[in-house]
Amino acid sequence: KNEVEQSPQNLTAQEGEFITINCSYSVGISALHWLQQHPGGGIVSLFMLSSGKKKHGRLIATINIQEKHSSLHITASHPRDSAVYICAPTGNQFYFGTGTSLTVIP
Amino acid sequence: EAGVAQSPRYKIIEKRQSVAFWCNPISGHATLYWYQQILGQGPKLLIQFQNNGVVDDSQLPKDRFSAERLKGVDSTLKIQPAKLEDSAVYLCASSVATTGELFFGEGSRLTVL
Repeated sequence: KNEVEQSPQNLTAQEGEFITINCSYSVGISALHWLQQHPGGGIVSLFMLSSGKKKHGRLIATINIQEKHSSLHITASHPRDSAVYICAPTGNQFYFGTGTSLTVIP
Repeated sequence: EAGVAQSPRYKIIEKRQSVAFWCNPISGHATLYWYQQILGQGPKLLIQFQNNGVVDDSQLPKDRFSAERLKGVDSTLKIQPAKLEDSAVYLCASSVATTGELFFGEGSRLTVL
């Protein structure tokens, strides 16, 4: 049983496209992280949010606690955005999705 | 502010050998995690420390894995003896508190031959 489901698993986009990655979870949480992992690299926390919406540059994250759903949007995508994006809801522990592998083609 | 430091970055060993990984969390972070990430999967929690006490080690294969955080600061994760299926990236992460923002190290990639 997966506590966290992400979609899509893989995504290929043309540079400049608007991208959405979705995350649904079944556990009770106090906050949710969106993480970015580059090939061969470590994991970087992009956002931690517990309600509403947060924006950082071209990245926007939203969460609906009642519906247990979060989305990560990337506007004007760029090849350097190519990475794996992981949703991690957190309550008394961190739960991790399996990630969405994004490739942005120039 | 210095990030989470891990070493070694890469390690190749033969099965049945032992290996140890080291992690130094961000200063002041009471909570430290060790995760195992197998290629294509999300991180799997191995052990969580709060200061030098273990909060959760339910998924740690205790017959071969051990971890300690003696002074509530840096931590070591040991595997002895290693199996082929232990090939993975071992990630250390820390946070101020369980509900705080999570910071990851670069990871230690283990290959068991």
